[in-house]
Amino acid sequence: DAKTTQPNSMESNEEEPVHLPCNHSTISGTDYIHWYRQLPSQGPEYVIHGLTSNVNNRMASLAIAEDRKSSTLILHRATLRDAAVYYCILRVGYNTDKLIFGTGTRLQVFP
Amino acid sequence: EAGVTQSPTHLIKTRGQQVTLRCSPISGHTSVYWYQQALGLGLQFLLWYDEGEERNRGNFPPRFSGRQFPNYSSELNVNALELEDSALYLCASSLTGNQPQHFGDGTRLSIL
Repeated sequence: DAKTTQPNSMESNEEEPVHLPCNHSTISGTDYIHWYRQLPSQGPEYVIHGLTSNVNNRMASLAIAEDRKSSTLILHRATLRDAAVYYCILRVGYNTDKLIFGTGTRLQVFP
Repeated sequence: EAGVTQSPTHLIKTRGQQVTLRCSPISGHTSVYWYQQALGLGLQFLLWYDEGEERNRGNFPPRFSGRQFPNYSSELNVNALELEDSALYLCASSLTGNQPQHFGDGTRLSIL
């Protein structure tokens, strides 16, 4: 599975937008970009995923670069509950196999 | 809709003992995954079961094993416990295909 690179930590103020970057320069054409987050003392939680086009759901938006070598998870208005570790994961499209978690980005949200 | 449930939530064992962890997937999900989250090592894939069969396993010794029952629930068994087995054990389930995995809140296993 291709590798992803994320900043170790980021900070935001409540109600501000947050842009969490992810680099995946070795992505292949069949790799989907998945984002999960893990709140303290909980299991990981699915956030969003996409292949080529930008995606939106009730939790976040995913912006994918045209060359697909990077992507950005966008939280439109951060809340204190969004403080978590965010993982960017590449997953082969037809593969129902494991998720390979990196170290992720720890997001701190200040009131 | 009920999420993935795991039991017990916490467990304390001593070296050399055996342990069984349990997982109930979301209704309708046929795939179950097990992960280990040890301090400083991040989330590591352990096992994947689908339709009652083991489909893949991670880089763990054979004393880590499991099974999936006809109702798709699953057990993770760890024999001859070692101190480094202390970790949060997470179970996830998904529909077949490239669908998101949904995680339980894990079983915290402490080895004394």
